[in-house]
Amino acid sequence: DQQVKQNSPSLSVQEGRISILNCDYTNSMFDYFLWYKKYPAEGPTFLISISSIKDKNEDGRFTVFLNKSAKHLSLHIVPSQPGDSAVYFCAALFSSGSARQLTFGSGTQLTVLP
Amino acid sequence: AAGVIQSPRHLIKEKRETATLKCYPIPRHDTVYWYQQGPGQDPQFLISFYEKMQSDKGSIPDRFSAQQFSDYHSELNMSSLELGDSALYFCASSSLSNTEAFFGQGTRLTVV
Repeated sequence: DQQVKQNSPSLSVQEGRISILNCDYTNSMFDYFLWYKKYPAEGPTFLISISSIKDKNEDGRFTVFLNKSAKHLSLHIVPSQPGDSAVYFCAALFSSGSARQLTFGSGTQLTVLP
Repeated sequence: AAGVIQSPRHLIKEKRETATLKCYPIPRHDTVYWYQQGPGQDPQFLISFYEKMQSDKGSIPDRFSAQQFSDYHSELNMSSLELGDSALYFCASSSLSNTEAFFGQGTRLTVV
């Protein structure tokens, strides 16, 4: 049973427009949510995170929104640039004492068209 | 700034052989995660360590074992390798005070 789901395997957006990547989760015990960007054959690169007690976090062109009641978060990229084309993974962190588990979604391939 | 270092970057092994993957976390990071990413798949959590103790366990086969050493580096030992073990293996590190986990470049294991 997937605890973190990204239901859109791919997304295409025109350069300069907004990209919205979505993520749903099932475990209400997750403490933090993170977004990673990944190029082929490279490790995921951390983008932005949000605590479960917040509903928005912004960093430059990237904004993450969290809707706890819906168990849903989204990453907004404004404006989108061709260099943003990559696979974006949503991840959720559960921590309790020394136990820590970071669970990934299946990723969304974002293509920004020039 | 120092990042997570994984070695080797590439490894080719035959079936039934043994492989050891190494991960050197960012200095002062006390938590290490291991992930396996097969072709066309999302990263699957294998195991994590906090302060040299196993913290959590995911879908790690019994043929695999891992540990975190006193200098916080971690090793993933894989025995009786199977063709299906061919994948990218990522290590990530974080600190208890900072939730972001930073990933290494990965080790590409090919079992032939």
